[in-house]
Amino acid sequence: GAGVSQTPSNKVTEKGKYVELRCDPISGHTALYWYRQSLGQGPEFLIYFQGTGAADDSGLPNDRFFAVRPEGSVSTLKIQRTERGDSAVYLCASSFLEVGTGELFFGEGSRLTVL
Amino acid sequence: DQQVKQNSPSLSVQEGRISILNCDYTNSMFDYFLWYKKYPAEGPTFLISISSIKDKNEDGRFTVFLNKSAKHLSLHIVPSQPGDSAVYFCAASYTNAGKSTFGDGTTLTVKP
Repeated sequence: GAGVSQTPSNKVTEKGKYVELRCDPISGHTALYWYRQSLGQGPEFLIYFQGTGAADDSGLPNDRFFAVRPEGSVSTLKIQRTERGDSAVYLCASSFLEVGTGELFFGEGSRLTVL
Repeated sequence: DQQVKQNSPSLSVQEGRISILNCDYTNSMFDYFLWYKKYPAEGPTFLISISSIKDKNEDGRFTVFLNKSAKHLSLHIVPSQPGDSAVYFCAASYTNAGKSTFGDGTTLTVKP
């Protein structure tokens, strides 16, 4: 389809392991966002890309989290030394507009469970 | 410090009646507000938005009202339908911010 695609849809890992989550945005969208949603809460901002560069990474909780978008399209969220508190649904979204007043198009999310 | 708050975790209404979902915000820099709808196991989908230069925006059965002085917005759904049953998120952003800040959502149940 033409929507935002996220893989894997589910990931179960052990504490301390490394995880990569991938996002393929809608073709032509220059802005890409990562959010994290815990149970009973709304999406929490992590990082935002405009093209290849991270325009705002103020939401990344610590240096175990890192994201890249090397060619301005697909993005990978990388989590090192995972902890149980990292368990959540990681949502990716993309947008047409260059500034933050456009609607976001979300993928279905990657559910991460850290045992 | 939660900048966008949805104080009602859940709302139940009868089919055909009006649903009113509320949202409060604290950051006066916010100048654009959006509502998203989320079904289980899916990502949120955009529903309707409003700029701070307006106080009302309507799209079919959905109307969003903005009261800037009270830092409050509401989403009205008339008439409510069972297919409207979902979690509704209020979100706010401001020009050049690049990101939206979300509330924790309100679960709407529309009973047939």
